[in-house]
Amino acid sequence: AQKITQTQPGMFVQEKEAVTLDCTYDTSDQSYGLFWYKQPSSGEMIFLIYQGSYDEQNATEGRYSLNFQKARKSANLVISASQLGDSAMYFCAMRGTYNNNDMRFGAGTRLTVKP
Amino acid sequence: SQTIHQWPATLVQPVGSPLSLECTVEGTSNPNLYWYRQAAGRGLQLLFYSVGIGQISSEVPQNLSASRPQDRQFILSSKKLLLSDSGFYLCAWSRTDTQYFGPGTRLTVL
Repeated sequence: AQKITQTQPGMFVQEKEAVTLDCTYDTSDQSYGLFWYKQPSSGEMIFLIYQGSYDEQNATEGRYSLNFQKARKSANLVISASQLGDSAMYFCAMRGTYNNNDMRFGAGTRLTVKP
Repeated sequence: SQTIHQWPATLVQPVGSPLSLECTVEGTSNPNLYWYRQAAGRGLQLLFYSVGIGQISSEVPQNLSASRPQDRQFILSSKKLLLSDSGFYLCAWSRTDTQYFGPGTRLTVL
């Protein structure tokens, strides 16, 4: 069974600094996808970044990058130059190969950016 | 570009009443569609997904059901709501790897 673990219920970061949100996963699939979503107080889940298990390079999207360490089964999200608007819940998710409609989500990390 | 709509945005219903939540997608054809539920302060739980009209897969047994009467329409229903059905319901679509979510419906069952 696939499992996603986010061990940080809450994180604080000073505006303009970088922050790393942790995510570890467990799967027996050889091929899988890892995702990060942002959920502001409005509730909508906003897709941020995707990493395929066979991608050799870490994914980047603007200020977001994914620190993918396959051997350690970790997929940490790095947000550079934090902004006040980054304050939100952040969810790590994984989709496997055999049932690629089954997306599993972590419990989330609440990020607060301090001015 | 693709957009996904959900309505209503909020709903307060008594225990035992029926439920119908609607989700529609624009700007794409033959998407995979998903219903998730999020309890307060928790992650998302996949309820149903559909790969085509009339094709529904259920992930969690419960008193909810889903239907896909049209290619880009996905409906979540219940004949009799329970208190435990309260939560935030999110619809999502995908064509490839990534799922894109709608704005959600906040359901309170009293």
